[in-house]
Amino acid sequence: GAGVSQSPSNKVTEKGKDVELRCDPISGHTALYWYRQSLGQGLEFLIYFQGNSAPDKSGLPSDRFSAERTGGSVSTLTIQRTQQEDSAVYLCASSTRQGSGANVLTFGAGSRLTVL
Amino acid sequence: KQEVTQIPAALSVPEGENLVLNCSFTDSAIYNLQWFRQDPGKGLTSLLLIQSSQREQTSGRLNASLDKSSGRSTLYIAASQPGDSATYLCAVSGGFKTIFGAGTRLFVKA
Repeated sequence: GAGVSQSPSNKVTEKGKDVELRCDPISGHTALYWYRQSLGQGLEFLIYFQGNSAPDKSGLPSDRFSAERTGGSVSTLTIQRTQQEDSAVYLCASSTRQGSGANVLTFGAGSRLTVL
Repeated sequence: KQEVTQIPAALSVPEGENLVLNCSFTDSAIYNLQWFRQDPGKGLTSLLLIQSSQREQTSGRLNASLDKSSGRSTLYIAASQPGDSATYLCAVSGGFKTIFGAGTRLFVKA
């Protein structure tokens, strides 16, 4: 697509429910990143994909968080048994490839998650 | 572990003023540094990217510099306008991660 697309744009859920957030990167971008931004805070790195594999999962906050990417394209971030502290904006970015000095990240508009 | 710090956290200036935003990072083993703009409730827009071999980049009224050895970057905004009001984020890339600073919240008064 022309840009990075994220859905849903807004999600309100009850504590304990599972949620799935989707990211559709720019066509041809092999690198995909998930970040979390809590209210008034900076961006917290969650996970990075190169193709379908995730060399670095160190940013995932707990084992309730998981992510996958299929076909080197769409990625899904799943949060199980949501907690109120999971409330944040989840941002996805893609780039041509990691490890390049010219690697420019293009961000989606984000998915705002509110856990009641 | 890479840490990125941005100073000041917030800045309010009158329209027309030139201003400098600062970014520092602890690990100089980076391959690029990017400055982003974030408007309230929106995603991030890339403003400038400086590769590790470069010292500065310019785009319109924006100029970003990079001193990798000292772990510093500055974003210079000339002749500021109310439309420049936003949060400006600095991000450094190395290894598998791009690490962000907490941002500088800029308000330009008309």
